[in-house]
Amino acid sequence: GAVVSQHPSWVICKSGTSVKIECRSLDFQATTMFWYRQFPKQSLMLMATSNEGSKATYEQGVEKDKFLINHASLTLSTLTVTSAHPEDSSFYICSAGGGLRGNQPQHFGDGTRLSIL
Amino acid sequence: RKEVEQDPGPFNVPEGATVAFNCTYSNSASQSFFWYRQDCRKEPKLLMSVYSSGNEDGRFTAQLNRASQYISLLIRDSKLSDSATYLCVVNGKAAGNKLTFGGGTRVLVKP
Repeated sequence: GAVVSQHPSWVICKSGTSVKIECRSLDFQATTMFWYRQFPKQSLMLMATSNEGSKATYEQGVEKDKFLINHASLTLSTLTVTSAHPEDSSFYICSAGGGLRGNQPQHFGDGTRLSIL
Repeated sequence: RKEVEQDPGPFNVPEGATVAFNCTYSNSASQSFFWYRQDCRKEPKLLMSVYSSGNEDGRFTAQLNRASQYISLLIRDSKLSDSATYLCVVNGKAAGNKLTFGGGTRVLVKP
């Protein structure tokens, strides 16, 4: 069964709306979770590393004020796309796991397909 | 140069045939390697980890060549359900749990 749950699966909303996506680890505690974005026919691009109880670490070129990340508990991280615009339309995926040294595979959520009209 | 590179394909494979493809990585300090499978409009799913000595899981065989900095995936007796994009994923020693993804190799198995 799934070990990482992501919600919602699909969002369609108007430009200017803020959208919150949740990522939950179901049967383990995750001090670190990762948020990715994938555009059509492209690979996954890491947006940020979500750290429980502290600020997220953003990759170069990712606006932290645009993509707000909150990791308030060991099983939940949220990504909020603020004032979304059509260019933010993408497939957003979270992951967790990897073991303490990163030598174990990560598990991915089902992904959220975001469409901004 | 990209950190992790893959031939995007597509590899058109007759059902029952064998297909193999590689992935090269630039960071010699990379420690962990994985193959994930991604179906269209779905999240990546772990296919297999790649171990230094090479490993096999059913019809799938993965190998690691540290000297030449590449990993490979071989699929035997291809099934129609093997059609997917195969993602090469690398974890660098200094990167903690942060993964780097290749662009994916698309495989199309046809009857």
